[in-house]
Amino acid sequence: GDSVTQMEGPVTLSEEAFLTINCTYTATGYPSLFWYVQYPGEGLQLLLKATKADDKGSNKGFEATYRKETTSFHLEKGSVQVSDSAVYFCALRRGFQKLVFGTGTRLLVSP
Amino acid sequence: SQTIHQWPATLVQPVGSPLSLECTVEGTSNPNLYWYRQAAGRGLQLLFYSVGIGQISSEVPQNLSASRPQDRQFILSSKKLLLSDSGFYLCAWSPMGEDTGELFFGEGSRLTVL
Repeated sequence: GDSVTQMEGPVTLSEEAFLTINCTYTATGYPSLFWYVQYPGEGLQLLLKATKADDKGSNKGFEATYRKETTSFHLEKGSVQVSDSAVYFCALRRGFQKLVFGTGTRLLVSP
Repeated sequence: SQTIHQWPATLVQPVGSPLSLECTVEGTSNPNLYWYRQAAGRGLQLLFYSVGIGQISSEVPQNLSASRPQDRQFILSSKKLLLSDSGFYLCAWSPMGEDTGELFFGEGSRLTVL
């Protein structure tokens, strides 16, 4: 069945460092891909998405490119801030509003 | 604006006891509603979804059930909890008829079964 694999966390970075969180997927066809973020004490919220191969989703300085050749959707940010500390979830859509999520990767950014 | 609330935020229950988690959405009508669970070391798993009052679809067989007694109310229940029911439960909603993949989540309920 469809699945999403994320890198294990926590990822610990200093402020202004470059961030990469890896995400790969297994699916039939070319599903839409998403990154959700959960800040402390809050619910998950959509960060960015890509609906077809080679699309780049971007928001709040974060980017991810849909790579069908490597079945990947890695999340990147050029310079992280303390306020980016959160748990990041990669997901794919496998049917009407049905999302398959990865395990989540916790990011800790120190000043 | 739309808001989603779920409670309780934290729950510790003995094995064999009943469970009721409640979720309500405000500021919208006829939302699609969802219950997800994250068990330790696993991704968020879709448990139930509902497209209308009294309409519940189950994604995985389990010890839990869901009900939608009102348009914007979604309840997750169990008659007898198992240890394996421990986890983080998230309620979510999306606008009726939309298929963007964007869900709006509540803050979650952490259940520990002892």
